[in-house]
Amino acid sequence: LAKTTQPISMDSYEGQEVNITCSHNNIATNDYITWYQQFPSQGPRFIIQGYKTKVTNEVASLFIPADRKSSTLSLPRVSLSDTAVYYCLVGERGSTLGRLYFGRGTQLTVWP
Amino acid sequence: GAVVSQHPSRVICKSGTSVKIECRSLDFQATTMFWYRQFPKQSLMLMATSNEGSKATYEQGVEKDKFLINHASLTLSTLTVTSAHPEDSSFYICSAPNPGLAGIETQYFGPGTRLLVL
Repeated sequence: LAKTTQPISMDSYEGQEVNITCSHNNIATNDYITWYQQFPSQGPRFIIQGYKTKVTNEVASLFIPADRKSSTLSLPRVSLSDTAVYYCLVGERGSTLGRLYFGRGTQLTVWP
Repeated sequence: GAVVSQHPSRVICKSGTSVKIECRSLDFQATTMFWYRQFPKQSLMLMATSNEGSKATYEQGVEKDKFLINHASLTLSTLTVTSAHPEDSSFYICSAPNPGLAGIETQYFGPGTRLLVL
């Protein structure tokens, strides 16, 4: 499984757009990129998943450059409730489904 | 969306006792579930894969006799921490593969169980 590197922490203010970048230099051809959000004392929650280019849902956007060695999670107009730890995971779908190896994640703190 | 529940949400026990944690998929079936452990200010660590109708598979370094896993039905997996000690105090989280997000393969996580061993 490809190792991921994320900033340990980020700060933002309400209403701003937040971009969290994840490096995964050793990503394999069959690997997908998935982001999870975790609040204190709760289980992680799926945010978004992508393979290449851009993916957007009602919560976030995921930008993946052509070389796929990094990805950027974009949270539009964050609010205080977006304060959480965000994890970037890279792995092959199918056979490794469910066996997720979490890195340290990025602690996002949103200030009023 | 799919929901995974855990019971209890928190438990306090004395050292040397055993504690059972349940993980249920409420509106879908899961032949496979996963157990994670998370210490304060740390990331989740995968402990084992729970397989319905067969033995669980454990990650390297996880004692299978210490953490007993039983996947008795398509909606229930249990993790029993045997002869618990203070160092077993942690946040235990289960997950199950999502059943219906088209084109997406991901996990639904339970709310977690906080275990404190005195």
